[in-house]
Amino acid sequence: GAGVSQSPRYKVAKRGQDVALRCDPISGHVSLFWYQQALGQGPEFLTYFQNEAQLDKSGLPSDRFFAERPEGSVSTLKIQRTQQEDSAVYLCASSLQEGYQETQYFGPGTRLLVL
Amino acid sequence: GESVGLHLPTLSVQEGDNSIINCAYSNSASDYFIWYKQESGKGPQFIIDIRSNMDKRQGQRVTVLLNKTVKHLSLQIAATQPGDSAVYFCAENIGTAAGGGADGLTFGKGTHLIIQP
Repeated sequence: GAGVSQSPRYKVAKRGQDVALRCDPISGHVSLFWYQQALGQGPEFLTYFQNEAQLDKSGLPSDRFFAERPEGSVSTLKIQRTQQEDSAVYLCASSLQEGYQETQYFGPGTRLLVL
Repeated sequence: GESVGLHLPTLSVQEGDNSIINCAYSNSASDYFIWYKQESGKGPQFIIDIRSNMDKRQGQRVTVLLNKTVKHLSLQIAATQPGDSAVYFCAENIGTAAGGGADGLTFGKGTHLIIQP
């Protein structure tokens, strides 16, 4: 079956531009997570959805970051007025059920470069 | 500081030897641990997980050991192959269940496993 997919795979933005990153989770997965991975570091949690409800957004670094999952499947991470420090790989993961001991399956990520 | 960390950033082993990757965690409330493998340009790939009520869990060529007394986690890979070359992350989830859902994983920095021919 298809895994988690993300698009675009690469995105170059000029500082100040808005970007939108898409995540298609595994079909039927209830939980969806966004992570940010800086070069040479482990992923860092941004936000979590259970179906369409955003239950945890404690990891979003600023109010320029916004995520949504309006129909409980596809999710979009939007970054407004991008800054150079936003350059990173943005990973999406999904798990079948809610619950913190559910296996999270990751997509390939979107590599964002802000110039 | 980080709750999860790794002892060595790079590990070089001969093909066919066993590899051991170590990880320390600091939060005694952590009760679920996962090992991920990440190849260049790809997302993390689940390897194996272990819950705090277990000391050891085995998969295909991999074994995870958990020592709660010293808050230490290790991943053992048997008969290492060239395809095992990657960065390995340990991760934990405390599961605060805020709002009734799952919180995100906390990852360490990773260990780069290099396989020598």
